[in-house]
Amino acid sequence: NAGVTQTPKFQVLKTGQSMTLQCAQDMNHNSMYWYRQDPGMGLRLIYYSASEGTTDKGEVPNGYNVSRLNKREFSLRLESAAPSQTSVYFCAIRSWSDSYEQYFGPGTRLTVT
Amino acid sequence: SQQGEEDPQALSIQEGENATMNCSYKTSINNLQWYRQNSGRGLVHLILIRSNEREKHSGRLRVTLDTSKKSSSLLITASRAADTASYFCATDRGNTGFQKLVFGTGTRLLVSP
Repeated sequence: NAGVTQTPKFQVLKTGQSMTLQCAQDMNHNSMYWYRQDPGMGLRLIYYSASEGTTDKGEVPNGYNVSRLNKREFSLRLESAAPSQTSVYFCAIRSWSDSYEQYFGPGTRLTVT
Repeated sequence: SQQGEEDPQALSIQEGENATMNCSYKTSINNLQWYRQNSGRGLVHLILIRSNEREKHSGRLRVTLDTSKKSSSLLITASRAADTASYFCATDRGNTGFQKLVFGTGTRLLVSP
């Protein structure tokens, strides 16, 4: 997971609380993504940013907002957390070169009670 | 909904045996990728196969792609305990220059010493 950092690693929220998950990269890549992973499931795309200044909804955007602060940072905000948002959240990046692989951060484990 | 479905959901083998996992998807793709996830960690890219390729090798990994059947398989030869992880296929249907991956539900592989 070198090159992509996420904070915090763990978080417990009460229903209705808000929080921001932070993602930063040092690989100078254009595209950044936020996914959630629920137990026994693959990853589902929440929001993505093709480049600095642009963001778009993914498969499961409801209840979330994002900010692409600059090329390095892409944050995910939960305005009013719900138990259904209990999940592990992963940030990923990708360059626009011929390499198609995505690089993932270590994840944030969020529990909403 | 998720694009890929992996089969089997779980696989348990002995060290030295081969492990085969399959992925089926629903729509046309540009490429298909396989990722590994160790418990509690982010995903790591293993191998990519483009839609015009039928087979690809990387070390002990062999990937096949059958676009007519919309399926792919990942073979890990001579497995090791360190191969214990979850394996996900991910399909790329995005436009040239930008990529949105859609992940399958994963295969949990357990390799016993």
